[in-house]
Amino acid sequence: DADVTQTPRNRITKTGKRIMLECSQTKGHDRMYWYRQDPGLGLRLIYYSFDVKDINKGEISDGYSVSRQAQAKFSLSLESAIPNQTALYFCATSDFGGGAAGELFFGEGSRLTVL
Amino acid sequence: QKEVEQNSGPLSVPEGAIASLNCTYSDRVSQSFFWYRQYSGKSPELIMSIYSNGDKEDGRFTAQLNKASQYVSLLIRDSQPSDSATYLCAALSGGYNKLIFGAGTRLAVHP
Repeated sequence: DADVTQTPRNRITKTGKRIMLECSQTKGHDRMYWYRQDPGLGLRLIYYSFDVKDINKGEISDGYSVSRQAQAKFSLSLESAIPNQTALYFCATSDFGGGAAGELFFGEGSRLTVL
Repeated sequence: QKEVEQNSGPLSVPEGAIASLNCTYSDRVSQSFFWYRQYSGKSPELIMSIYSNGDKEDGRFTAQLNKASQYVSLLIRDSQPSDSATYLCAALSGGYNKLIFGAGTRLAVHP
């Protein structure tokens, strides 16, 4: 089984619908991240969390919210999806601080299409 | 200026040649840099990290950091078709708390 698991892997939805992407990990890492990837734009950070009580906005948090239900679980929600949120979403984890914070372990990605 | 910038490519090199991938960064990032490789349809994976000025070698890969000029490079020697992928340059920002990525450079190695 994968160390970082994302569900669903693919989702097609309509404008205005609420969507939740879920991420769970077995690596025992405290730090978890949500990124989105668009062609030509690389990976952009949406939200990150260092523990259950610590949630931080990233570069592009507008239109998104997150929940850290447990050390191993970090969910991303789109309250009212819009077409420009169509993208590939990645969950990632890392160990604590310093250079280890730059070694991310990614899930397999969740492809979201908003019509 | 973006925190981390890369030429999107594609960079096309013949098999056996040296592929040179470049990245520049702003003052807003820390001095910790990472190269990730992403095959089409897959998730990124870390291949190199570099923290000090100079070169760091790992097999066919060499990472180079020049703090005075604010650029980071990745050299791939004896390029193989299996090296064809997008290479993402990244730097720690926000006090070593978050990893910021460049747009990535697509490398194509042709036989």
